[in-house]
Formats: sequence, C-alpha cells, structure tokens
Amino acid sequence: SYELTQPPSVSVPPGQTASITCSGENLGDRFVSWYQQRPGQSPVLVIYQDKKRPSGIPERFSGSTSGNTATLTISGTQPMDESDYYCQAWASTLWVFGGGTKLTVL
Amino acid sequence: DVQLVESGGNLVQPGGSLRLSCAVSGFNFNDFTMNWVRQAPGKGLEWLSYITRTSRTIYYADSVKGRFTVSRDNANNSLYLQMDSLRVDDTAVYYCVREITGGWFDPWGLGTLVTVSS
Repeated sequence: SYELTQPPSVSVPPGQTASITCSGENLGDRFVSWYQQRPGQSPVLVIYQDKKRPSGIPERFSGSTSGNTATLTISGTQPMDESDYYCQAWASTLWVFGGGTKLTVL
Repeated sequence: DVQLVESGGNLVQPGGSLRLSCAVSGFNFNDFTMNWVRQAPGKGLEWLSYITRTSRTIYYADSVKGRFTVSRDNANNSLYLQMDSLRVDDTAVYYCVREITGGWFDPWGLGTLVTVSS
C-alpha cells in the first residue's frame, strides 16, 4: 500500500524558517496537499496542488516539490503556527495522509 | 458560508453498529465528491471512504472495507456512514470532508466522536 513519510517532529525558534518534508514513491507525479491542525481543532487546508495557497492562509506558508519529496515551508514562524501538519496525496483508488509532523516553536 | 456538520457519534459496544450523518450547507452538494476521514485519540488522520457526486464510484480504506458503507442523499444535502461490526480501534473523531475537484479537502467539519467500548 502507498505510504507518505513525514518526520514526527520539527522544532524552530520564533521568526526562523521551518521545513516539513513528506516523501513517497513517485510523489512528484502526484499533487500534494498540506493541512494544519491546531490542538483540539479540525484540520485546515494550508497548501494544495503542491504550492498553491488558499485565500486567508498567510504568505509565510509555501509548498514545493522535488523528486519524491514535498516540502511545506513556513517563513518567519510564529508561535501560533505551532500545530500538527499533515501531507496528503491520491494513490489511484484511495487518499493517503502522512503520519503527521508536530511543529514546535520555541 | 460552507458548513459540514457531522452527527451520530456515540458510545457503542464492540460488534455494534452506528450511522453517522453529515449535513452540508452553503454549496451545491450535488457537484462534489465527498469523503470520510477519522482520527483516533492522539493519532494522525486516516482516510476512510470516497463517494462521487452520483454515488457511481465508491472507495474504502482496507481497514473498514466490508464493515462500513458510505452513501449520500443529494436531495437532502446529506452524507452518511453506516458502521457495522465496530471494534475498539474504530474509536475516533469522524470527519466528513468536501473534496475539491483537482484533489484537496476543504473545508472540514467539527467531527463527531465515536467510542467503541464495553
């Protein structure tokens, strides 16, 4: 079965750049979405189609892909960005989520 | 505003059944593929099922195939998930989500909690 691999945790000082990776077989051939989930809340879409940002999502959120790895980058990370982040891709007849990355801003 | 409101979550014994509902508003339900996703306590997101606009195509995750059945009522703007043979590891918050053509989920509902325990 198809799998997406994310680091369990990433830490970043406030104001610095955070990068969260998501890797999977032939991921470069698929569109990747990213979701932010704050504690106790429902997930929110922050990036779709690899690098597009929905309206209302701050410009400091960006997405990119290279080979079999997609990356969510948060520039000038703020304390409010401390959340779990999940990548997602389509695998023929099913949706797959990565295991999630807990971003700590400290 | 686009809204998805899940309901039907409850405490149920192992082996029991439950039917979840998702009432949508603020958009033309007929135009969108819908999905169910769940999140066990302290765990990540797990996709469960996919149903196209006319219910012509349906997919399930292996973990629920044969036990869960997704359906929709376009006339009443509602999505359903019939859950049978429930197990303790089905305990989770269940979300219904709208799939945007091109492949992403937006928005997510608040979810409904299903607890399977004796």
